[in-house]
Amino acid sequence: LAKTTQPISMDSYEGQEVNITCSHNNIATNDYITWYQQFPSQGPRFIIQGYKTKVTNEVASLFIPADRKSSTLSLPRVSLSDTAVYYCLGTGANNLFFGTGTRLTVIP
Amino acid sequence: DTGVSQNPRHKITKRGQNVTFRCDPISEHNRLYWYRQTLGQGPEFLTYFQNEAQLEKSRLLSDRFSAERPKGSFSTLEIQRTEQGDSAMYLCASSLTQGDIRSYEQYFGPGTRLTVT
Repeated sequence: LAKTTQPISMDSYEGQEVNITCSHNNIATNDYITWYQQFPSQGPRFIIQGYKTKVTNEVASLFIPADRKSSTLSLPRVSLSDTAVYYCLGTGANNLFFGTGTRLTVIP
Repeated sequence: DTGVSQNPRHKITKRGQNVTFRCDPISEHNRLYWYRQTLGQGPEFLTYFQNEAQLEKSRLLSDRFSAERPKGSFSTLEIQRTEQGDSAMYLCASSLTQGDIRSYEQYFGPGTRLTVT
């Protein structure tokens, strides 16, 4: 059964880099590791996905170790608008698992 | 607007009634997912389709829930004999998955908020 573990909450000051780590115990060998952002009263929004090593796009970087049992989402220089819940998606047989996510609060 | 759309946006029903929700995915996407989300929790996976085939269904999904995706386009989610515990936001998402590595780059609709009284 797919399951993920992430910190429940994090606080950060504006302009700082934020790293959120997720443990995904049995992600399938042929699945990407995927992260989402969710604001209140909206559906989740895709941020980034990767298979191994490091992936970077215009909003974030994703670091994946060789064993793929965890991943770290890195948000550079966060702003107040980055306050949201961040989920790593667990994948496995017959299940996709969002968990409760990490509630990031950016402080002015 | 070429995003994922869901109808209705809100539904209030009495306990015991049946309800049906519709999702229209992004047109070129071959996968369609249904989730349920309650306050303070992440989306809970219900089921997903690849084209018209229902590939996976959560073990948490009771027999009162059924989903279809005729012709691999829009999808409907039906809840029979609704219970108060079914009150939640029902989210639909779609994605394009090709190749040997499975992508879960999903695009979500605005959701249908169900209230069972």
